[in-house]
Amino acid sequence: DTGVSQDPRHKITKRGQNVTFRCDPISEHNRLYWYRQTLGQGPEFLTYFQNEAQLEKSRLLSDRFSAERPKGSFSTLEIQRTEQGDSAMYLCASSSEDSHFGPGTRLLVL
Amino acid sequence: TQLLEQSPQFLSIQEGENLTVYCNSSSVFSSLQWYRQEPGEGPVLLVTVVTGGEVKKLKRLTFQFGDARKDSSLHITAAQPGDTGLYLCAPPGSGGYNKLIFGAGTRLAVHP
Repeated sequence: DTGVSQDPRHKITKRGQNVTFRCDPISEHNRLYWYRQTLGQGPEFLTYFQNEAQLEKSRLLSDRFSAERPKGSFSTLEIQRTEQGDSAMYLCASSSEDSHFGPGTRLLVL
Repeated sequence: TQLLEQSPQFLSIQEGENLTVYCNSSSVFSSLQWYRQEPGEGPVLLVTVVTGGEVKKLKRLTFQFGDARKDSSLHITAAQPGDTGLYLCAPPGSGGYNKLIFGAGTRLAVHP
Protein backbone atom coordinates (compact mmCIF):
# COMPACT_ATOMS: atom_id res chain seq x y z
CA ASP A 1 0.00 0.00 0.00
CA THR A 2 1.56 3.31 -1.06
CA GLY A 3 -0.76 5.58 0.88
CA VAL A 4 0.21 8.49 3.09
CA SER A 5 2.14 7.47 6.19
CA GLN A 6 2.78 9.42 9.38
CA ASP A 7 5.19 8.86 12.20
CA PRO A 8 4.82 8.54 15.12
CA ARG A 9 1.19 7.50 15.46
CA HIS A 10 1.09 8.59 19.08
CA LYS A 11 3.19 11.01 21.09
CA ILE A 12 2.97 11.89 24.76
CA THR A 13 5.12 14.77 25.91
CA LYS A 14 5.43 17.15 28.80
CA ARG A 15 4.54 20.79 28.49
CA GLY A 16 7.48 22.82 27.24
CA GLN A 17 9.10 20.04 25.23
CA ASN A 18 9.59 20.14 21.48
CA VAL A 19 8.06 17.52 19.22
CA THR A 20 8.49 16.70 15.53
CA PHE A 21 6.14 14.73 13.32
CA ARG A 22 6.87 13.25 9.91
CA CYS A 23 4.62 12.75 6.90
CA ASP A 24 5.47 10.67 3.85
CA PRO A 25 3.00 11.51 1.07
CA ILE A 26 2.01 9.45 -1.94
CA SER A 27 5.12 9.69 -4.08
CA GLU A 28 3.66 11.29 -7.18
CA HIS A 29 1.67 13.93 -5.26
CA ASN A 30 3.16 17.41 -5.31
CA ARG A 31 0.61 18.93 -2.92
CA LEU A 32 0.92 18.32 0.82
CA TYR A 33 -1.28 19.63 3.61
CA TRP A 34 -1.18 19.56 7.41
CA TYR A 35 -4.39 19.70 9.42
CA ARG A 36 -5.15 19.65 13.14
CA GLN A 37 -8.21 17.96 14.60
CA THR A 38 -9.41 18.40 18.16
CA LEU A 39 -12.04 16.29 19.86
CA GLY A 40 -15.50 16.75 18.42
CA GLN A 41 -14.34 18.85 15.48
CA GLY A 42 -13.49 18.33 11.85
CA PRO A 43 -9.89 18.76 10.71
CA GLU A 44 -8.69 22.37 10.47
CA PHE A 45 -6.17 23.47 7.88
CA LEU A 46 -2.69 24.40 9.13
CA THR A 47 -0.39 24.71 6.13
CA TYR A 48 0.10 23.80 2.48
CA PHE A 49 3.14 22.87 0.40
CA GLN A 50 3.41 22.65 -3.34
CA ASN A 51 6.56 20.66 -3.90
CA GLU A 52 9.07 22.23 -1.47
CA ALA A 53 7.41 25.65 -1.34
CA GLN A 54 5.23 26.48 1.65
CA LEU A 55 2.51 28.53 -0.03
CA GLU A 56 -0.02 29.05 2.74
CA LYS A 57 -0.08 29.08 6.53
CA SER A 58 -3.20 29.31 8.66
CA ARG A 59 -3.51 31.77 11.52
CA LEU A 60 -3.74 28.64 13.67
CA LEU A 61 -0.06 28.09 12.99
CA SER A 62 1.54 30.10 15.78
CA ASP A 63 5.22 31.03 15.92
CA ARG A 64 5.87 27.83 17.86
CA PHE A 65 4.90 25.76 14.83
CA SER A 66 7.15 25.22 11.84
CA ALA A 67 6.75 22.94 8.87
CA GLU A 68 9.21 21.97 6.17
CA ARG A 69 9.25 19.92 3.02
CA PRO A 70 12.92 20.20 2.08
CA LYS A 71 13.06 18.06 -1.05
CA GLY A 72 9.43 18.19 -2.04
CA SER A 73 8.84 14.69 -0.73
CA PHE A 74 8.39 14.04 3.00
CA SER A 75 7.39 16.83 5.35
CA THR A 76 7.97 17.54 9.02
CA LEU A 77 5.89 19.54 11.47
CA GLU A 78 7.66 20.76 14.58
CA ILE A 79 6.02 22.23 17.64
CA GLN A 80 8.31 24.05 20.04
CA ARG A 81 7.56 24.62 23.73
CA THR A 82 4.42 22.52 23.59
CA GLU A 83 1.35 23.63 25.51
CA GLN A 84 -1.59 21.57 26.73
CA GLY A 85 -3.74 23.25 24.09
CA ASP A 86 -1.59 21.65 21.41
CA SER A 87 -3.05 18.25 22.28
CA ALA A 88 -4.81 17.09 19.11
CA MET A 89 -4.62 14.77 16.14
CA TYR A 90 -2.25 16.10 13.48
CA LEU A 91 -3.20 14.89 10.02
CA CYS A 92 -1.21 15.03 6.82
CA ALA A 93 -2.78 14.77 3.39
CA SER A 94 -1.35 14.71 -0.10
CA SER A 95 -3.10 15.19 -3.39
CA SER A 96 -2.87 15.43 -7.11
CA GLU A 97 -6.63 16.00 -7.38
CA ASP A 98 -8.42 14.44 -4.39
CA SER A 99 -6.86 14.51 -0.94
CA HIS A 100 -5.54 11.32 0.61
CA PHE A 101 -5.07 11.46 4.36
CA GLY A 102 -2.57 9.70 6.53
CA PRO A 103 -3.58 7.99 9.77
CA GLY A 104 -2.52 10.99 11.84
CA THR A 105 -0.29 11.56 14.85
CA ARG A 106 -2.15 11.87 18.12
CA LEU A 107 -0.35 14.27 20.46
CA LEU A 108 -1.01 14.48 24.17
CA VAL A 109 0.72 17.26 26.10
CA LEU A 110 0.75 16.69 29.86
CA THR B 1 -14.84 30.49 9.71
CA GLN B 2 -17.09 27.44 9.52
CA LEU B 3 -18.86 27.44 6.17
CA LEU B 4 -20.71 24.21 6.77
CA GLU B 5 -23.19 23.02 9.35
CA GLN B 6 -23.58 19.31 9.81
CA SER B 7 -26.48 17.70 11.61
CA PRO B 8 -27.08 15.90 13.77
CA GLN B 9 -23.86 16.15 15.73
CA PHE B 10 -24.28 12.69 17.20
CA LEU B 11 -26.35 9.70 16.17
CA SER B 12 -26.57 6.39 18.00
CA ILE B 13 -28.65 3.68 16.35
CA GLN B 14 -29.14 -0.05 16.22
CA GLU B 15 -27.89 -2.25 13.43
CA GLY B 16 -30.41 -2.43 10.59
CA GLU B 17 -31.87 1.07 11.05
CA ASN B 18 -31.84 3.73 8.35
CA LEU B 19 -30.46 7.21 8.90
CA THR B 20 -29.85 10.50 7.14
CA VAL B 21 -27.23 13.11 7.96
CA TYR B 22 -27.08 16.60 6.54
CA CYS B 23 -24.53 19.14 5.41
CA ASN B 24 -25.86 22.69 4.99
CA SER B 25 -24.41 26.03 4.01
CA SER B 26 -25.50 29.47 2.90
CA SER B 27 -22.79 29.36 0.22
CA VAL B 28 -23.05 27.81 -3.22
CA PHE B 29 -20.39 25.22 -3.96
CA SER B 30 -19.17 23.89 -7.28
CA SER B 31 -18.83 20.46 -5.66
CA LEU B 32 -18.96 18.78 -2.28
CA GLN B 33 -17.13 15.81 -0.84
CA TRP B 34 -18.12 13.37 1.90
CA TYR B 35 -15.51 11.61 4.02
CA ARG B 36 -15.73 8.95 6.69
CA GLN B 37 -13.22 8.93 9.52
CA GLU B 38 -12.92 5.86 11.69
CA PRO B 39 -11.60 6.22 15.24
CA GLY B 40 -7.84 6.73 15.28
CA GLU B 41 -7.56 7.08 11.51
CA GLY B 42 -7.56 9.83 8.89
CA PRO B 43 -10.63 10.72 6.82
CA VAL B 44 -11.29 8.62 3.73
CA LEU B 45 -13.05 10.09 0.70
CA LEU B 46 -16.41 8.46 -0.01
CA VAL B 47 -17.82 10.54 -2.85
CA THR B 48 -17.73 13.83 -4.72
CA VAL B 49 -21.02 15.35 -5.88
CA VAL B 50 -20.84 17.98 -8.56
CA THR B 51 -24.19 18.67 -10.23
CA GLY B 52 -27.16 20.24 -8.45
CA GLY B 53 -29.73 17.54 -7.75
CA GLU B 54 -27.20 14.78 -8.33
CA VAL B 55 -27.70 11.46 -6.55
CA LYS B 56 -24.85 9.01 -6.15
CA LYS B 57 -25.04 5.57 -4.60
CA LEU B 58 -22.24 3.66 -2.95
CA LYS B 59 -23.67 0.29 -1.86
CA ARG B 60 -25.98 1.18 1.08
CA LEU B 61 -24.99 4.85 1.05
CA THR B 62 -26.94 7.39 -1.02
CA PHE B 63 -25.56 10.89 -1.44
CA GLN B 64 -27.60 13.81 -2.75
CA PHE B 65 -26.47 17.29 -3.71
CA GLY B 66 -29.13 19.98 -3.33
CA ASP B 67 -30.56 21.62 -6.44
CA ALA B 68 -29.05 24.95 -5.41
CA ARG B 69 -25.70 23.29 -4.55
CA LYS B 70 -25.82 24.67 -1.00
CA ASP B 71 -26.58 21.47 0.85
CA SER B 72 -26.14 17.73 0.72
CA SER B 73 -27.42 14.67 2.48
CA LEU B 74 -26.13 11.19 3.13
CA HIS B 75 -28.62 8.39 3.66
CA ILE B 76 -27.52 5.01 4.97
CA THR B 77 -29.83 2.04 4.56
CA ALA B 78 -29.70 -0.87 7.00
CA ALA B 79 -26.76 0.51 8.96
CA GLN B 80 -24.06 -1.89 10.10
CA PRO B 81 -21.50 -1.58 12.90
CA GLY B 82 -18.84 -1.04 10.23
CA ASP B 83 -20.56 2.24 9.32
CA THR B 84 -19.54 3.65 12.71
CA GLY B 85 -17.39 6.76 12.37
CA LEU B 86 -17.30 10.49 11.87
CA TYR B 87 -18.93 11.65 8.65
CA LEU B 88 -17.47 14.87 7.33
CA CYS B 89 -18.40 17.08 4.42
CA ALA B 90 -16.17 19.60 2.69
CA PRO B 91 -16.25 21.59 -0.55
CA PRO B 92 -12.94 20.89 -2.31
CA GLY B 93 -11.04 23.94 -3.41
CA SER B 94 -13.28 26.51 -1.78
CA GLY B 95 -10.46 27.58 0.51
CA GLY B 96 -7.88 28.01 -2.22
CA TYR B 97 -5.00 25.65 -3.11
CA ASN B 98 -7.55 22.83 -2.91
CA LYS B 99 -7.37 22.80 0.87
CA LEU B 100 -10.41 21.38 2.62
CA ILE B 101 -12.60 23.29 5.02
CA PHE B 102 -14.59 20.71 6.92
CA GLY B 103 -17.79 20.85 8.86
CA ALA B 104 -17.69 19.59 12.45
CA GLY B 105 -19.06 16.25 11.31
CA THR B 106 -21.72 13.81 12.41
CA ARG B 107 -20.49 11.13 14.78
CA LEU B 108 -22.38 7.90 14.08
CA ALA B 109 -22.41 4.86 16.34
CA VAL B 110 -24.13 1.70 15.08
CA HIS B 111 -24.70 -0.88 17.79
CA PRO B 112 -25.03 -4.61 17.05
